[in-house]
Amino acid sequence: SYDLTQPPSVSVSPGQTATITCSGDNLGDKIVYWYQRRPGQSPTLIIYRDSQRPSGVPERFSASNSGNTATLTISETQALDEADYHCQAWDSDIVVFGGGTKLTVL
Amino acid sequence: QVRLQESGPGLVKPSQTLSVTCTVSGDSMRDLSYYWSWVRQRPGEGLQWIASMSNRGGTYYNPALKSRVSISVDTSENQFSLRLDSVTAADTAVFFCAALTGVRGVGQFDFWGQGSLITVSS
Repeated sequence: SYDLTQPPSVSVSPGQTATITCSGDNLGDKIVYWYQRRPGQSPTLIIYRDSQRPSGVPERFSASNSGNTATLTISETQALDEADYHCQAWDSDIVVFGGGTKLTVL
Repeated sequence: QVRLQESGPGLVKPSQTLSVTCTVSGDSMRDLSYYWSWVRQRPGEGLQWIASMSNRGGTYYNPALKSRVSISVDTSENQFSLRLDSVTAADTAVFFCAALTGVRGVGQFDFWGQGSLITVSS
């Protein structure tokens, strides 16, 4: 089976840049999606097709995917960005999620 | 804007069948081309895709769960459902229904329900 690996937790100070990685074999050959899940809420799509932002997602959120790693970058991090972030890709006909990363804004 | 809302039993006994339903509002399922999907999140773990089904009956399952899972779509009721057989405590999770755009290697979950916590315990 195909695995996506994320760090369990990332901490960042308000106003700084947070980087969350998602790793998998030749992940750059696949398309990666990112979801944000705030406490008590359902996940919401924040990045699709590796680096595209849906309408309404702030420009502070950006992403890339190359080699074995996809990266979600949150610039000028705010307290409201504190959430779990999940990457998603496909392995043939199977949807695969990473284990999720808890972003703490200290 | 499509809205999804799960309804589940809250508590299921071990070895029994877990059933959960998702009601779609905001549009008729018949007019939408999503793959209607189920995703769960077990305590302390990441999201896990379970299964997806189109209005036409095209179905995709997570191989790890396929032997115990059944998904169905009822466009006349604007609902879709999940059954998970022979549950154990390891099946305790928040179950989300979601609308998947695309399939076969490309696609994302555009809309999600709020989630239904289902606990497996005697």
